[in-house]
Amino acid sequence: DQQVKQNSPSLSVQEGRISILNCDYTNSMFDYFLWYKKYPAEGPTFLISISSIKDKNEDGRFTVFLNKSAKHLSLHIVPSQPGDSAVYFCAASANNAGNMLTFGGGTRLMVKP
Amino acid sequence: DGGITQSPKYLFRKEGQNVTLSCEQNLNHDAMYWYRQDPGQGLRLIYYSQIVNDFQKGDIAEGYSVSREKKESFPLTVTSAQKNPTAFYLCASSKDPYRYGYTFGSGTRLTVV
Repeated sequence: DQQVKQNSPSLSVQEGRISILNCDYTNSMFDYFLWYKKYPAEGPTFLISISSIKDKNEDGRFTVFLNKSAKHLSLHIVPSQPGDSAVYFCAASANNAGNMLTFGGGTRLMVKP
Repeated sequence: DGGITQSPKYLFRKEGQNVTLSCEQNLNHDAMYWYRQDPGQGLRLIYYSQIVNDFQKGDIAEGYSVSREKKESFPLTVTSAQKNPTAFYLCASSKDPYRYGYTFGSGTRLTVV
């Protein structure tokens, strides 16, 4: 049973427009969420996170929104740049999860010049 | 600079051979993890270790073995029992995933020839 799902395997966006990547979770114990970015043949790098006590966290062009009632989070990238083309993974953690993150399946973002 | 190092970056294995992937970190992190990524797939947990001399099976541990004799090192052995070992392998470490997430290595691509 996948506890963290990214239902869109890929997303294509024009340079300068907004990219919205979505993530759903089923475990109500999750209370900390992270987004990672991954280029081919490289390890994922941390992008942005949000605690369940917040509904929004912003860092430059990247904003993560959390809707706890819907068990949904989204990553907004504005404006999108060609260098943002990568696979994005959302991950979730619970305070009692024993030092584990649960990852979604990833969404491949392609930003066209 | 502190970081997590995986070696080699590319590895070729003949069928029936065991191979060992190296993972070393100098971040003083207690927890370490091994993930596998297949093309177009998400990250699947193979093994993890939260403390020296202790490790736990993840979701797909069959055909793999690990050791954690030192805090800095968490090598993964892909045995001949692993039926489909060709994949991209990622090692990660963490001080506190709940607050800080994981730090990933750059990965090892294993190909069976």
